[in-house]
Amino acid sequence: KAGVTQTPRYLIKTRGQQVTLSCSPISGHRSVSWYQQTPGQGLQFLFEYFSETQRNKGNFPGRFSGRQFSNSRSEMNVSTLELGDSALYLCASSLGHGGGGETQYFGPGTRLLVL
Amino acid sequence: GENVEQHPSTLSVQEGDSAVIKCTYSDSASNYFPWYKQELGKRPQLIIDIRSNVGEKKDQRIAVTLNKTAKHFSLHITETQPEDSAVYFCAASITGGSYIPTFGRGTSLIVHP
Repeated sequence: KAGVTQTPRYLIKTRGQQVTLSCSPISGHRSVSWYQQTPGQGLQFLFEYFSETQRNKGNFPGRFSGRQFSNSRSEMNVSTLELGDSALYLCASSLGHGGGGETQYFGPGTRLLVL
Repeated sequence: GENVEQHPSTLSVQEGDSAVIKCTYSDSASNYFPWYKQELGKRPQLIIDIRSNVGEKKDQRIAVTLNKTAKHFSLHITETQPEDSAVYFCAASITGGSYIPTFGRGTSLIVHP
């Protein structure tokens, strides 16, 4: 099976702009989670989507949003970008049956730089 | 919310030595504890996990122990090899329902040949 893919791999944006990141899960996986990884804060959970619904949400401002499509592909949007949003954004997919506690498979990430 | 502390932040060992990374968590309801390995420039990969109904789990040179009373869990790597060099993350979460994993800050393991 093909692994989790993310596009684009690299992005450079300026403050105030918005950005959309995409994640394609492993075939058959219905859960997609998004994480922000920074040197200072480590890995932080953004949100999880299952069957096109946001099932869980981390502690991030409303500028961070997402959605999931019927084919389980997911997008994440960040509006009004701030310098502190510069990070590696990872998505991870899993079967989604257990509400967590399943093996998550990570994508390669999208590295976002906000200038 | 849950808080996960991970120590040490950096660990340097000689090839063949053992390495131990420790994590503590705050929420006694947490019942799932995965460990991830992230090599430089690569994606995190699950290497082992443990659930709260088990005290220890082994997979070849890797083992994880869990002490629910003390709310801490540890990763043990024996006979370390240079390819074990990576950043290791622990995490804690509650399965079923509200699944919001909380990660430790990571441990950079360096294995010297």
